[in-house]
Amino acid sequence: AQSVTQLDSQVPVFEEAPVELRCNYSSSVSVYLFWYVQYPNQGLQLLLKYLSGSTLVESINGFEAEFNKSQTSFHLRKPSVHISDTAEYFCAVRHATGFQKLVFGTGTRLLVSP
Amino acid sequence: SQTIHQWPATLVQPVGSPLSLECTVEGTSNPNLYWYRQAAGRGLQLLFYSVGIGQISSEVPQNLSASRPQDRQFILSSKKLLLSDSGFYLCAWSVPGGSEAFFGQGTRLTVV
Repeated sequence: AQSVTQLDSQVPVFEEAPVELRCNYSSSVSVYLFWYVQYPNQGLQLLLKYLSGSTLVESINGFEAEFNKSQTSFHLRKPSVHISDTAEYFCAVRHATGFQKLVFGTGTRLLVSP
Repeated sequence: SQTIHQWPATLVQPVGSPLSLECTVEGTSNPNLYWYRQAAGRGLQLLFYSVGIGQISSEVPQNLSASRPQDRQFILSSKKLLLSDSGFYLCAWSVPGGSEAFFGQGTRLTVV
């Protein structure tokens, strides 16, 4: 079965600083990888996904993530964060074939301060 | 376009009372449906999923049950709530054969 590890429960950064949120996964088969963002008391919104092809994927608001198969990682990065990026970020994985049951990490709370 | 509705947004219930949370999806047919629970510091735990009417798979043993009486309706229930049932409950759907899941706005349940 697949699993996801997000080692950092909280990441404090200053506005305009770069940030990296770490995600490692475990699976014996090909996977799809996702990053979701959750603002307080709201549902999850898809930020970006890796299905196949280019290992670097980007979102419309400046985030990017790189799929690294050898390191089984899918870290999320942003070169310059904004106050509005303060939220909880979840990494998720599912098998690339068969029924698509998403398995989530425990989340990383990104705290951006001025 | 597809939308997912989940209600109520917040709920405070006494221990031992019943529970019914409802989720409906619009703009698609035969979606896969999911109930997740989010507890502080524990991420999202998949509780139930359904690939069709009347077809429910349970991921973890617990005090809750789920039903899918209609194609786009998914209900989470309990006969008698426990304090440990408190949490943020999220309904989600996905396209069969698709990649990602789409989430509702969640229900914050507090059992007192």
